[in-house]
Amino acid sequence: NAGVTQTPKFRVLKTGQSMTLLCAQDMNHEYMYWYRQDPGMGLRLIHYSVGEGTTAKGEVPDGYNVSRLKKQNFLLGLESAAPSQTSVYFCASGRTSGVHEQFFGPGTRLTVL
Amino acid sequence: AQSVTQLDSQVPVFEEAPVELRCNYSSSVSVYLFWYVQYPNQGLQLLLKYLSGSTLVESINGFEAEFNKSQTSFHLRKPSVHISDTAEYFCAVSEGNDMRFGAGTRLTVKP
Repeated sequence: NAGVTQTPKFRVLKTGQSMTLLCAQDMNHEYMYWYRQDPGMGLRLIHYSVGEGTTAKGEVPDGYNVSRLKKQNFLLGLESAAPSQTSVYFCASGRTSGVHEQFFGPGTRLTVL
Repeated sequence: AQSVTQLDSQVPVFEEAPVELRCNYSSSVSVYLFWYVQYPNQGLQLLLKYLSGSTLVESINGFEAEFNKSQTSFHLRKPSVHISDTAEYFCAVSEGNDMRFGAGTRLTVKP
């Protein structure tokens, strides 16, 4: 099993460009999450999904959109990238929320110039 | 909403010394508590978790954490660290669909 995979691993964008980050999991998990990790701030939840076709806002959703068309995939979109979105992005999945742990992907390092 | 405070951003220790990484949380309801570890250039991995029952929980590699409800703390300890324990450690609190992470503590083990 590959677990949680993320594509791409690195990306450099110019301000105003758009891109989509892809997350895939092969554990048949219902819940999926997108986080951003910034120095000194830990992980902050951007958006999450509790099942195929559903999404919800997390702590820092502005400037991002998500889609969960298939259970195994969770896409994070940046429509018009800004330097403040320079960060490391992690995708995670889990069976449910609460008691169950989250399984994390290896991360995508995004730089917006 | 709950919040998580990790009191130390960096903890340097010598190999074979004991270590404690501190975590405090704020929540008005029952929560579930987790410690995750992140090795360089990797995602987070679960180290241990407290759901209910015994307040002392252990991991397979010698770490333990104690849930203290009155002090709203979930400190992580290891009696003797190894070079391979060098990593960043995150405390997390789960309440419903919301999991909040602390800012992280970078543990550096020196020979």
